[in-house]
Amino acid sequence: QKEVEQDPGPLSVPEGAIVSLNCTYSNSAFQYFMWYRQYSRKGPELLMYTYSSGNKEDGRFTAQVDKSSKYISLFIRDSQPSDSATYLCAFTGGGNKLTFGTGTQLKVEL
Amino acid sequence: EAQVTQNPRYLITVTGKKLTVTCSQNMNHEYMSWYRQDPGLGLRQIYYSMNVEVTDKGDVPEGYKVSRKEKRNFPLILESPSPNQTSLYFCASSSTVRSSYNSPLHFGNGTRLTVT
Repeated sequence: QKEVEQDPGPLSVPEGAIVSLNCTYSNSAFQYFMWYRQYSRKGPELLMYTYSSGNKEDGRFTAQVDKSSKYISLFIRDSQPSDSATYLCAFTGGGNKLTFGTGTQLKVEL
Repeated sequence: EAQVTQNPRYLITVTGKKLTVTCSQNMNHEYMSWYRQDPGLGLRQIYYSMNVEVTDKGDVPEGYKVSRKEKRNFPLILESPSPNQTSLYFCASSSTVRSSYNSPLHFGNGTRLTVT
């Protein structure tokens, strides 16, 4: 079983749609949960960072963590074409060695 | 501007010809790391460094070397590249060795390496 599972997509949605991106994990040592966004020909950049179960909101983005089910989600409200990118979930037990998902490619169409 | 700079951005080479990919950060970060990104496998850590002269293996270190002689630089060396090292490589840095919201990993823009 892989440590992290992430649906690769691609996911194509119309502008304004609500997008749900998900990852499951199996390593109980993971205590910090992140979402990175990666534009084409660029490096990943941190989008959301959480360390407890529940929801964390930042503008149009909401990160949700369910530690009991080992499941994290990223919701994007009112999606925009500028949100078109690959979204990577990432996990760590505390150090800076991150375990990444394989990424979900998202395209938001006009 | 705070950044992680990798060079070159694109590199095509032949099997066995030694190469170095440079990485430099201007943020005075303690922690630096190299990842490779492959379709279906995601980002996997090659090597990391927690400070000058302190380096350690990540998950996929075979065929790679690194050095950290100065705080700002962390070059990745392929002594004898092989086709299975064809990949997209990222250097990353952080101000601390512990993960936190205030000191996330900052990534460079990648080096696409092709070994024929």
